[in-house]
Parts: sequence; C-alpha cells; structure tokens
Amino acid sequence: QKEVEQNSGPLSVPEGAIASLNCTYSDRVSQSFFWYRQYSGKSPELIMSIYSNGDKEDGRFTAQLNKASQYVSLLIRDSQPSDSATYLCAVSGYSTLTFGKGTMLLVSP
Amino acid sequence: GAVVSQHPSRVICKSGTSVKIECRSLDFQATTMFWYRQFPKKSLMLMATSNEGSKATYEQGVEKDKFLINHASLTLSTLTVTSAHPEDSSFYICSATTTSGNYEQYFGPGTRLTVT
Repeated sequence: QKEVEQNSGPLSVPEGAIASLNCTYSDRVSQSFFWYRQYSGKSPELIMSIYSNGDKEDGRFTAQLNKASQYVSLLIRDSQPSDSATYLCAVSGYSTLTFGKGTMLLVSP
Repeated sequence: GAVVSQHPSRVICKSGTSVKIECRSLDFQATTMFWYRQFPKKSLMLMATSNEGSKATYEQGVEKDKFLINHASLTLSTLTVTSAHPEDSSFYICSATTTSGNYEQYFGPGTRLTVT
C-alpha cells in the first residue's frame, strides 16, 4: 500500500513569512514528486514538480527532495494571503499519482 | 499550455437518472486521463484510469457498471454516472497526462454533481 503522509494543519503563518510544508512517502521506487495547490471548492493546480534529489526553485516556491529519507518539502517565501489554500503532495512511481490528504495553509495579513 | 476543460461545471439531476461529464485536453494529446472524486473536506480519491482506445482501470471499490468511462480520443474522456443516487453527489475532477512521460497530471476545473 503506497502512502503519502502530510500534516493536515492548519499551518498558520503571518504575511511575509516563510511557510514550510512537509511530506513523507512510503514507496521507495517513487520517481516523480509534485505539489498541488487547491483552493476551497476548486480543483488542484500543479505548482511544482521535482524528480531528483536537492532543491528546485520557481519564483517564491522551492521544492526539496530527499529520496534517502523519502521526504519532500515545499517552501513558500514571502507568503501572501492569496497563498491560503490546501497543498497536496503527490508521488508517482509509474502512471498514477498517490496524493496525501493535504496541508491547509493560512496566511494572515 | 496543458489546459484541461470539463463540462458541465455544475449539474443537478434527479435520483435514478444518468449524468455524463466530459473531460477534454485543449492544447495537448493526453495519453492517459484520470477520474477523481472528492467529498467535502476530504482528500482526492482516484476512481479510474483510462487510456485512449482501451478499457478503463477502476480502483478497488468503484463500480465499473455504475461509473462508465469512455476514452474515445486522445483529447476526450467521458464519465457517465448511471442511475445516480444522492450518495453520488460529489465533486468529480478529471486530469490528464501529456506524452512527455514525466507523469505530471493537469486537472480540469471539476464538475459538482448534486443528486436530488
């Protein structure tokens, strides 16, 4: 049984702070890792993908992958109220994705 | 790029009727499309995986005769909820992967189904 674990939160941070979201996965053969953002009542939106160990930066977002520890994280710098959403970690070994239950992020003005 | 549309966005139907939901990849060819269901405040649940021209693969517990999936082309998949009941009321979301092989899934905007 493939599992992806996330803290459900909510994670509350003040505007301008760094938000750190974490995810662990159970399947060692996983090859592709994704972070999706889902606003309430909307469908998920892909914001980051990472395939190799290390950091990947895109604007205010940085994804970090450590395959040895089976750990993926997402850092959001200069958090804005508009970043308030549920962030889903997803892991793929082959064609399907296994999603975590998501971490709710609340950014207060 | 990688835009996925769904139609309708919202549908209300009576118990016992069938509802068809369309999922289209607008600017790419989708080798594989996925159908998810999400109940309020719950996580995404994969219902089935469909590849163009072949039968869908359903997840455990999902009734294939109730949720009919047709993937007629590389840009269109449909989900038909047959003999809908109030417990089928949910947010149905499709996604699609490109031919790039990196397994990124792009989601449609979702269809909110209410069965009365």
